[in-house]
Amino acid sequence: DQQVKQNSPSLSVQEGRISILNCDYTNSMFDYFLWYKKYPAEGPTFLISISSIKDKNEDGRFTVFLNKSAKHLSLHIVPSQPGDSAVYFCAASASQFYFGTGTSLTVIP
Amino acid sequence: GAGVSQSPRYKVAKRGQDVALRCDPISGHVSLFWYQQALGQGPEFLTYFQNEAQLDKSGLPSDRFFAERPEGSVSTLKIQRTQQEDSAVYLCASSSTRGPGATQYFGAGTRLSVL
Repeated sequence: DQQVKQNSPSLSVQEGRISILNCDYTNSMFDYFLWYKKYPAEGPTFLISISSIKDKNEDGRFTVFLNKSAKHLSLHIVPSQPGDSAVYFCAASASQFYFGTGTSLTVIP
Repeated sequence: GAGVSQSPRYKVAKRGQDVALRCDPISGHVSLFWYQQALGQGPEFLTYFQNEAQLDKSGLPSDRFFAERPEGSVSTLKIQRTQQEDSAVYLCASSSTRGPGATQYFGAGTRLSVL
């Protein structure tokens, strides 16, 4: 039973454009959400987080949006750069962390 | 240390063999987590320590899996009588705060292949 879902396994974006990665969850008890970025042969690297009391958090080129009523989370990267090419995991936390299956982002130079 | 360190990076085991995977968390981090990541999937929670206490082991898939953190720092995940379905990347993460609801920092993982 997947409590956190990333329905797009892959996404390709031109350099300089916006990348939008989406995540849906089912458990209304989740109160903390994170995005991790993963390169091959490395562990996931923390990118950005948001608490359930907020609906937006921004850090440089990265913005996370939370829509609690829709149980939807998104990560916007603008402008996208080739170095952003990686697998992105969203995660949600109540008593433990639940991860989505990841979206592989390719930024085309 | 500067980050979470896991060893070995790769482990090949024959079915039925016991394995031990090591995790060195970030110095001073009180919380430590183990995850299993199967191919094409996200990490799945296995167990959680706060210092030396194992507070949650609900994710361990069977009694062949055992984790310990005897001095509240280094942790070992042991898998007895390995089976092919145990093949996965085992990730360790640590966090500076108590409780699982804070940012976790991951090691590079141990890739276990059971033949």
